[in-house]
Amino acid sequence: EPEVTQTPSHQVTQMGQEVILRCVPISNHLYFYWYRQILGQKVEFLVSFYNNEISEKSEIFDDQFSVERPDGSNFTLKIRSTKLEDSAMYFCASSRGRPDTEAFFGQGTRLTVV
Amino acid sequence: AQRVTQPEKLLSVFKGAPVELKCNYSYSGSPELFWYVQYSRQRLQLLLRHISRESIKGFTADLNKGETSFHLKKPFAQEEDSAMYYCALLPQGGSEKLVFGKGTKLTVNP
Repeated sequence: EPEVTQTPSHQVTQMGQEVILRCVPISNHLYFYWYRQILGQKVEFLVSFYNNEISEKSEIFDDQFSVERPDGSNFTLKIRSTKLEDSAMYFCASSRGRPDTEAFFGQGTRLTVV
Repeated sequence: AQRVTQPEKLLSVFKGAPVELKCNYSYSGSPELFWYVQYSRQRLQLLLRHISRESIKGFTADLNKGETSFHLKKPFAQEEDSAMYYCALLPQGGSEKLVFGKGTKLTVNP
């Protein structure tokens, strides 16, 4: 069964450094997403991406964040200058889009900013 | 504002007992409601959604628009049901943004 894959599974970075989290969505899906979950808190939407552009973003997704689909398979989340409060589990997801609204999630990347 | 509330952070039952995981939502329109489950060391996966009205792994959930609830129920819990359960809302219209509750950790004891 096709799966969303994320790399790395764990990333440790120093405050102020740039990080890129990588995802390979399911190949015939059209919508791609990033969510994050700070320890002990709820899963929060960051951004959705469709047709090679951002379709929706949350207030969390400020100028420090960017997404890209550099080729036909990868979908990346970049954080330009990491802060301590960016430490979280980051989930990539993909879906076919309405009316099939099921989102398929990756295993997550645990980002630790020190 | 869109909000999903799962009042129980932890729920513990014995094998064979009925289980109900509560979910209430706040949304002015007609959302689509989901239950996602995360077993230990596995990814978040869809358990069921209200529009399909299915029973998956013995679980059912009924959307009650009057009470704005979407509680998840199973008459006889099994040990393999132990997991984190997340209720989620998808707004009507064009948004693809899932709004999650904080989750309930279900433990089914032998």
